[in-house]
Amino acid sequence: SQQGEEDPQALSIQEGENATMNCSYKTSINNLQWYRQNSGRGLVHLILIRSNEREKHSGRLRVTLDTSKKSSSLLITASRAADTASYFCADNAGNNRKLIWGLGTSLAVNP
Amino acid sequence: GAVVSQHPSWVICKSGTSVKIECRSLDFQATTMFWYRQFPKQSLMLMATSNEGSKATYEQGVEKDKFLINHASLTLSTLTVTSAHPEDSSFYICSAPPLAGGPRQNEQFFGPGTRLTVL
Repeated sequence: SQQGEEDPQALSIQEGENATMNCSYKTSINNLQWYRQNSGRGLVHLILIRSNEREKHSGRLRVTLDTSKKSSSLLITASRAADTASYFCADNAGNNRKLIWGLGTSLAVNP
Repeated sequence: GAVVSQHPSWVICKSGTSVKIECRSLDFQATTMFWYRQFPKQSLMLMATSNEGSKATYEQGVEKDKFLINHASLTLSTLTVTSAHPEDSSFYICSAPPLAGGPRQNEQFFGPGTRLTVL
């Protein structure tokens, strides 16, 4: 089945550093979204970037979209220990509102 | 706004029993809800799309008689794992997109998940 690819699978950084994770798809991107999941919890929507947008900011989050490469990146600046979580990208599959999920990046921010 | 609840948050049951998980949109209506299964350190696997007032749409490889879905109202969908076995142990998460046409229509709002352990 369709699936987004994410890298890295796991990332460990020190507090204050920036974290970058990438997501790519084999098909064209519609509405690329990033979600965060704390261990054993549901997912929280972080940011959505549309296919006609190239960059979007929300607080310490910066998302870019390259439709020609069918890829997106999520940058978390000045990371905090509380940013430790798994981050997933997802894209709308079409009119049925399904999301096609990436494999996720597990981020550990060490104090 | 846009809160989704799930109940129970965790359940332990004996092999062969059935378990019902509820997913509720608390402050918005949802004609569609999605049920996912997630194994440790893995991504979400879509099991089925729950449609209010009609039959659920199951993904390939998901047994509809095993995972019964009912979407009886615009705020409630239930997933029943019938005759549960240890291999059904997993984290089950539901999500709901808001009604179409709004500014957040492409997002999904997630429940906190239900941890099922079958002994």
